[in-house]
Amino acid sequence: EAGVVQSPRYKIIEKKQPVAFWCNPISGHNTLYWYLQNLGQGPELLIRYENEEAVDDSQLPKDRFSAERLKGVDSTLKIQPAELGDSAVYLCASSFGGSIDTQYFGPGTRLTVL
Amino acid sequence: DQQVKQNSPSLSVQEGRISILNCDYTNSMFDYFLWYKKYPAEGPTFLISISSIKDKNEDGRFTVFLNKSAKHLSLHIVPSQPGDSAVYFCAASVTNSGYALNFGKGTSLLVTP
Repeated sequence: EAGVVQSPRYKIIEKKQPVAFWCNPISGHNTLYWYLQNLGQGPELLIRYENEEAVDDSQLPKDRFSAERLKGVDSTLKIQPAELGDSAVYLCASSFGGSIDTQYFGPGTRLTVL
Repeated sequence: DQQVKQNSPSLSVQEGRISILNCDYTNSMFDYFLWYKKYPAEGPTFLISISSIKDKNEDGRFTVFLNKSAKHLSLHIVPSQPGDSAVYFCAASVTNSGYALNFGKGTSLLVTP
């Protein structure tokens, strides 16, 4: 079974530029999560999707961050414009919701903003 | 406000000995707890979990203990192996909130031969 796929793995941009991250969850997983992991910290939830609906986006900085999950499968997280403080690893995870289950994480996208 | 705390940033243990990783939480609503293991340049990988209705869960060399009154859980690895060297994250969840995970900062475990 293929795991959670994320691309790109690494991204270097200059501040004020836009950037987008892509996530393909495990087949059949209806719940998708985006986490932000700063250096030396644990992952922090940005947004959670149940199918195509964003059911928890309270931690997403909506002035510059946006996300979508078209057709309830793949998801894209966008930052526009990026700031220096956005340098971090962006993790995508998926799970089969509706019961207690574990989340399966992708390898993450490491963003460096110069 | 960190609701899940791992106060030891690092731990070094000899191969064959027991590794004990600790985690404390502040939110009494948490009712499901997990440990994740992370290697460099990879995402966290699920290791073991425990529901608040239990006080112990065992899976091979890994055992998680939960002390609800103390809001404390620990992960025991016996015997420790060099391949266990990784960062271990404790996470907690409220099961009726969509299982969004609250993570600690992690403990870096080094198992030396």
